[in-house]
Amino acid sequence: GAGVSQSPSNKVTEKGKDVELRCDPISGHTALYWYRQSLGQGLEFLIYFQGNSAPDKSGLPSDRFSAERTGGSVSTLTIQRTQQEDSAVYLCASSPRRLSEQYFGPGTRLTVT
Amino acid sequence: DAKTTQPTSMDCAEGRAANLPCNHSTISGNEYVYWYRQIHSQGPQYIIHGLKNNETNEMASLIITEDRKSSTLILPHATLRDTAVYYCIVLTQGGSEKLVFGKGMKLTVNP
Repeated sequence: GAGVSQSPSNKVTEKGKDVELRCDPISGHTALYWYRQSLGQGLEFLIYFQGNSAPDKSGLPSDRFSAERTGGSVSTLTIQRTQQEDSAVYLCASSPRRLSEQYFGPGTRLTVT
Repeated sequence: DAKTTQPTSMDCAEGRAANLPCNHSTISGNEYVYWYRQIHSQGPQYIIHGLKNNETNEMASLIITEDRKSSTLILPHATLRDTAVYYCIVLTQGGSEKLVFGKGMKLTVNP
């Protein structure tokens, strides 16, 4: 079946611009996670959705970062006024239930110039 | 912060068993041990998880010591495609169950 998909696969943007990254989780998965992976920081958690609500936003690095999830499905991660340190691979994962494996998408590589 | 300690790297010969160790000496009763791996330029891939009993699936076996302070992931017949960074993660039941990745261990399978 279809896995987690993310778009775009690559995004190059100028410093100061806003970007939107999209995640399509596996159908029926109620939990959705955003992570990012950068050279200096490894893989780090950003935000967790259960349905449309986000009970854990503890990993968002600043108020320039926000995310939403609609219809319990698609999620969008928005970064406003991008900075060079935002350059990273942004990974989305979904999970069908508690204590279950997380299925990761291929990621979006964001480069801020 | 990651609650696990893994070697930085390990080599294994193709076709041999790969035994990947992990220390989690501060693990508590409601925490599970999960293993993921990341092949270059791909998203992480789930391998296996367990609480206190040994577990086996089509990919690997997980051996957890009786005191639960360490575990070993076993790939019974390593192939070149198993070359990856392997992450041992302790996950707390309840809450967001987010994955906290450490530095992981680079496994290189050699022909």
